[in-house]
Amino acid sequence: GNSVTQMEGPVTLSEEAFLTINCTYTATGYPSLFWYVQYPGEGLQLLLKATKADDKGSNKGFEATYRKETTSFHLEKGSVQVSDSAVYFCALTQGGKLIFGQGTELSVKP
Amino acid sequence: NAGVTQTPKFQVLKTGQSMTLQCAQDMNHEYMSWYRQDPGMGLRLIHYSVGAGITDQGEVPNGYNVSRSTTEDFPLRLLSAAPSQTSVYFCASSSRLGRGSYNEQFFGPGTRLTVL
Repeated sequence: GNSVTQMEGPVTLSEEAFLTINCTYTATGYPSLFWYVQYPGEGLQLLLKATKADDKGSNKGFEATYRKETTSFHLEKGSVQVSDSAVYFCALTQGGKLIFGQGTELSVKP
Repeated sequence: NAGVTQTPKFQVLKTGQSMTLQCAQDMNHEYMSWYRQDPGMGLRLIHYSVGAGITDQGEVPNGYNVSRSTTEDFPLRLLSAAPSQTSVYFCASSSRLGRGSYNEQFFGPGTRLTVL
């Protein structure tokens, strides 16, 4: 069946460091791919998305490219801020259902 | 637009009690769903609905019932609460993009449920 695997956390970085959170997926067909972010005590917010191979989603300095050949959708940011501290979820959707990875907690220290 | 709203925000139940978690959206979205979030397990789909009068089971439906009498509302019922249902519950909705496909989901703020 369809599944999403994320790198395990927690990830701790210093402010202005480079961020990569790995995400790979298993799916039939051509799913849409998403990164959601959950700030402490809040619900999930869509961070970025890509709907077809080679699409690059971007938002708030975060980027991810839909790589069909490696079935990956890694999240990157060139310079993280303390305010980026949150839990990040990679997800795929087919027919409306969202399938999530287990989440990666990011902590950014000043 | 209020988006997706959920009530209550917090709830404590005793084993065997029943309750309903409320979810409403004002975006006229066709698709609505319920997830539970447990540490280290991401979010798991409980039930979903593609329109009024239509519901279906997700990955972990046991112990939960849903109904969809209107486009706006999608309540989740726990008939006889168990400690294993202690979790954070999120409702989400999305609009239809085309046949069998949907846009991104918008999430409510969640309900934190503890079953003693």
